[in-house]
Amino acid sequence: GQNIDQPTEMTATEGAIVQINCTYQTSGFNGLFWYQQHAGEAPTFLSYNVLDGLEEKGRFSSFLSRSKGYSYLLLKELQMKDSASYLCVVMDSNYQLIWGAGTKLIIKP
Amino acid sequence: KAGVTQTPRYLIKTRGQQVTLSCSPISGHRSVSWYQQTPGQGLQFLFEYFSETQRNKGNFPGRFSGRQFSNSRSEMNVSTLELGDSALYLCASSLLALGLTGANVLTFGAGSRLTVL
Repeated sequence: GQNIDQPTEMTATEGAIVQINCTYQTSGFNGLFWYQQHAGEAPTFLSYNVLDGLEEKGRFSSFLSRSKGYSYLLLKELQMKDSASYLCVVMDSNYQLIWGAGTKLIIKP
Repeated sequence: KAGVTQTPRYLIKTRGQQVTLSCSPISGHRSVSWYQQTPGQGLQFLFEYFSETQRNKGNFPGRFSGRQFSNSRSEMNVSTLELGDSALYLCASSLLALGLTGANVLTFGAGSRLTVL
């Protein structure tokens, strides 16, 4: 079966750095997305990786290793507004999206 | 430009009833996909519509159905509601049909939260 694993919950301190890991086992691979979802709101797109390596976008970076079936989302200079759930999504060989359950990130002052 | 609009935002139904949810995509987007989100589970794909045709369907019973109109607005219907249908139902629109390309970003609506009593 297809599976995406990410931690259920993480806690970090304002101003710090946090890394949210995602491992996947899917039928093929055509890209990996990260979405952010604040409580009670719609998921919003953060990043897309299809090749190995690091993609940086401001305070957020996303890394992919296809051989290891592994990705992480790195958030720097954490702000209180970063408190949200972060969803790891893999597109399989049929271009179907497989969603992780999400990681709830709690930021403490 | 206006985002994805879902109505109603909240609704309460009882077992056995049916419900219809509506989704208006971003102007120009022809793909609308629907998802069910429950606590502790990832988004579960329900179905996708593109140009009024259902292109793909997830692993849900036939009680879950949908359609898309010529203006790309979409509706989903759940008949004979069960307690387990209580969830947040999200729709997302995209410019391209799902399954045609990798870098196809979804724009989500705020969702319709359904409670079945």
